[in-house]
Amino acid sequence: KAGVTQTPRYLIKTRGQQVTLSCSPISGHRSVSWYQQTPGQGLQFLFEYFSETQRNKGNFPGRFSGRQFSNSRSEMNVSTLELGDSALYLCASSANTGSTTEAFFGQGTRLTVV
Amino acid sequence: GESVGLHLPTLSVQEGDNSIINCAYSNSASDYFIWYKQESGKGPQFIIDIRSNMDKRQGQRVTVLLNKTVKHLSLQIAATQPGDSAVYFCAENTGGFKTIFGAGTRLFVKA
Repeated sequence: KAGVTQTPRYLIKTRGQQVTLSCSPISGHRSVSWYQQTPGQGLQFLFEYFSETQRNKGNFPGRFSGRQFSNSRSEMNVSTLELGDSALYLCASSANTGSTTEAFFGQGTRLTVV
Repeated sequence: GESVGLHLPTLSVQEGDNSIINCAYSNSASDYFIWYKQESGKGPQFIIDIRSNMDKRQGQRVTVLLNKTVKHLSLQIAATQPGDSAVYFCAENTGGFKTIFGAGTRLFVKA
């Protein structure tokens, strides 16, 4: 079956703009997590959604938000972009049946803020 | 390719040797641990996991060891191959639907 799909793969935005990134999880997976990856900070947890509900959130400002739709697809939005938001944004999906929380990652969206 | 960490700890091994990658985790309440491999230009890929009620788990060419006393996790790769060259991350999960990743270790395999 198809893996986790993130769109777009690459994005260039200007400071002050906003951006929306999309993630389609593996079919049947209901949990979607988002991460920010930068050389300086590594992989940092943004938030996790399950059945359209945010279950946990990382330590990011309110400019970072997300949502999940009834088909489990998820979007994250960053408003008022700053240069420091330049990063690889990764989405991971899991079945989260309780027996395992193995997550499958997409290839990420590379966001560059200029 | 993309850099996932400019100042990562680096391990260089000869092809065919065994590799051991270490990780210290922070939360004594973590009950699930995962090792991921990330190759340039790709997202992290699951390698092996272990729950806190175990101290060892083996997969194909990989073994994870967990020492809860000192909050230490290690990944052993047997007969390391050039295709094993990547950045390896350990991750911990406290059951709160939040996974915390370590900084990563870059593995170089010399042919």
